[in-house]
Amino acid sequence: NFMLTQPHSVSESPGKTVTISCTGSSGSIASNYVQWYRQRPGSAPTTVIYEDNQRPSGVPDRFSGSIDSSSNSASLTISGLKTEDEADYYCQSYDSFGGGTKLTVL
Amino acid sequence: QVQLVQSGAEVKKPGASVKVSCKASGYTFTSYGITWVRQAPGQGLEWMGWISAYNGHTNYAQNLQGRVTMTTDTSTSTAYMELRSLRSDDTAVYYCARRRLGSWVDPWGQGTLVTVSS
Repeated sequence: NFMLTQPHSVSESPGKTVTISCTGSSGSIASNYVQWYRQRPGSAPTTVIYEDNQRPSGVPDRFSGSIDSSSNSASLTISGLKTEDEADYYCQSYDSFGGGTKLTVL
Repeated sequence: QVQLVQSGAEVKKPGASVKVSCKASGYTFTSYGITWVRQAPGQGLEWMGWISAYNGHTNYAQNLQGRVTMTTDTSTSTAYMELRSLRSDDTAVYYCARRRLGSWVDPWGQGTLVTVSS
C-alpha cells in the first residue's frame, strides 16, 4: 500500500505563507495525481487542489500545489493566510489519504 | 448543481450490518464512479473503496475485503455501501464522493454517522 505522510500540525500568523508537505512511502508520487482537501470541523472535505496543481473554481489563487519528484513529495502552499484558512488539510493520491495536517492561524 | 445526499445516522449492535445510501443528482450518474471514505471520531480519512456506476466494477480496501459490498442502482442514481460484522472500531462518519479522473473525489456527501455499540 502506498502511504502518504503529513506533518500533524502547522501554525503561522495571518498574512504569512505556510507550506504543508505530503511524502510518499514507496513508489513514485508522480505516478498518480495528488489532490488536497480542506475539512472544517463538522463538515465534509472540499477540494482546494486537484491533479497536483489545479484549483477548482471558487478556490482563491492563494492556494497552490506542487510535486517534487526528488523528495517524492507533494506540497500545498497557502499564501496571505487568513483566519478562515484554519482547518484540517488532507493530501490524497489514488487509494491513499495522508493522515491530515491541522493548520492553525494565530 | 452536483449533489450527493446520504441516508441518516444509524446505531447498530456489534455483529450487525449497516447499509448506507448515497443519492446523486445534477450529473450523468453512469459517467462517474462513487468512492466511499470513512472517518473515525477525531481521526483522519480512510479510503474504503470505489465502484464504477458505468459497469459495477469495484475495488475495495484490503482491510475491508469480505465485509464490505458497494452497489449502485442506476435507475435511481443511488449508490450503496453495506458493511457487515460490525465492530466498535467501525464507528465513524461514512462519506460518499463522486470519483473523477485521476481518483479525484468531488463533491462529497454530507456524511452518515454509524455508531456501533452494545
